Amino acid sequence: RKEVEQDPGPFNVPEGATVAFNCTYSNSASQSFFWYRQDCRKEPKLLMSVYSSGNEDGRFTAQLNRASQYISLLIRDSKLSDSATYLCVVNKANAGGTSYGKLTFGQGTILTVHP
Amino acid sequence: DAGVIQSPRHEVTEMGQEVTLRCKPISGHNSLFWYRQTMMRGLELLIYFNNNVPIDDSGMPEDRFSAKMPNASFSTLKIQPSEPRDSAVYFCASSEDRGNTEAFFGQGTRLTVV
Repeated sequence: RKEVEQDPGPFNVPEGATVAFNCTYSNSASQSFFWYRQDCRKEPKLLMSVYSSGNEDGRFTAQLNRASQYISLLIRDSKLSDSATYLCVVNKANAGGTSYGKLTFGQGTILTVHP
Repeated sequence: DAGVIQSPRHEVTEMGQEVTLRCKPISGHNSLFWYRQTMMRGLELLIYFNNNVPIDDSGMPEDRFSAKMPNASFSTLKIQPSEPRDSAVYFCASSEDRGNTEAFFGQGTRLTVV
């Protein structure tokens, strides 16, 4: 089983639609969670961190369910510029708790927003 | 800061040749990551360094791959000998070593082995 699993999509939605992406992770020791965005032929960039209580940034809402090891991203009022690949990312400290290094990425979910 | 800097941006080489990819992390970041991205496998972590020390190299595909970080401002990923299946985009990323911190990626090196 992959450490981080996402529905690869693609999701094709019209402008203004609401779309939700889901992600599950296998390692219960994971401590930090993120959504990254990657545009075509570009590097991944942080979209938002995901906090236990859930958090919102404009049209974007992220939620975390530690019990189910599940992360979600909701995009409201989709824009053409939201078209990209969305990557679910988890991070955990090493066994000694001395490094938070290992960011593990999901395969990504492709979103296309059309007029 | 200029961000994470990778070179070269593109590399085309013949099978069997040695390839060296270079990375300069953001100043002050003490974690550095090398990732490989392909359509089939997505983003795979190859190796990561913390304070210039390799912490986890379990993602390095085989002995043909090696990575070094001689100082806090420079890292290399070497493939010797290269094979066509090594063709991918190789990303370097850096971050501060604390919880809930983002990793900043370089623009990547697009490697084609023919």
